[in-house]
Amino acid sequence: EAGVAQSPRYKIIEKRQSVAFWCNPISGHATLYWYQQILGQGPKLLIQFQNNGVVDDSQLPKDRFSAERLKGVDSTLKIQPAKLEDSAVYLCASSLAGAYYEQYFGPGTRLTVT
Amino acid sequence: QKEVEQNSGPLSVPEGAIASLNCTYSDRGSQSFFWYRQYSGKSPELIMFIYSNGDKEDGRFTAQLNKASQYVSLLIRDSQPSDSATYLCAVKAGDMRFGAGTRLTVKP
Repeated sequence: EAGVAQSPRYKIIEKRQSVAFWCNPISGHATLYWYQQILGQGPKLLIQFQNNGVVDDSQLPKDRFSAERLKGVDSTLKIQPAKLEDSAVYLCASSLAGAYYEQYFGPGTRLTVT
Repeated sequence: QKEVEQNSGPLSVPEGAIASLNCTYSDRGSQSFFWYRQYSGKSPELIMFIYSNGDKEDGRFTAQLNKASQYVSLLIRDSQPSDSATYLCAVKAGDMRFGAGTRLTVKP
């Protein structure tokens, strides 16, 4: 079974630029999560989708972050414009519907904002 | 504010010893509790989860939950060098909240 795929794996941008990350969950997983993990901290949930609907985006900085999952499969997370404090690893995870207790994480995208 | 607190470590134990990792949480409405392992530069992987007070064992791992004390722990028996990693405690009360992790080093 293929795991969660993410791209790119690494990205370096200057502040005020835009960036987008892509995630393809495990086949059949209805729930998709985006997390931000700053160095030395635990992951912080940014947004959770169930199919193509948003379940929780309470910690998403909506003035600069946006995410979509239009067809209920793959998802894109965008930052526009980026700030220095956005430097982090962005992790995508997926699970079967309702199975929040068994999330599978992708390899992450390491973003550096200079 | 829903907080999940862990001792950042590093915690160092000799090979074959028991490693004890601790976590406290602030939200009494928390329902589910998780332990993840994260190797350096890798993504987290689930070790186990626990819902009810008491102990839950899975191989060399035992999770212990005390809701009255708002405390959850992970014991690793017969620690191996391959167990050297950061261990993340996560708590679900509505959304999922992670602690900052405890770095464990198992010395041969």
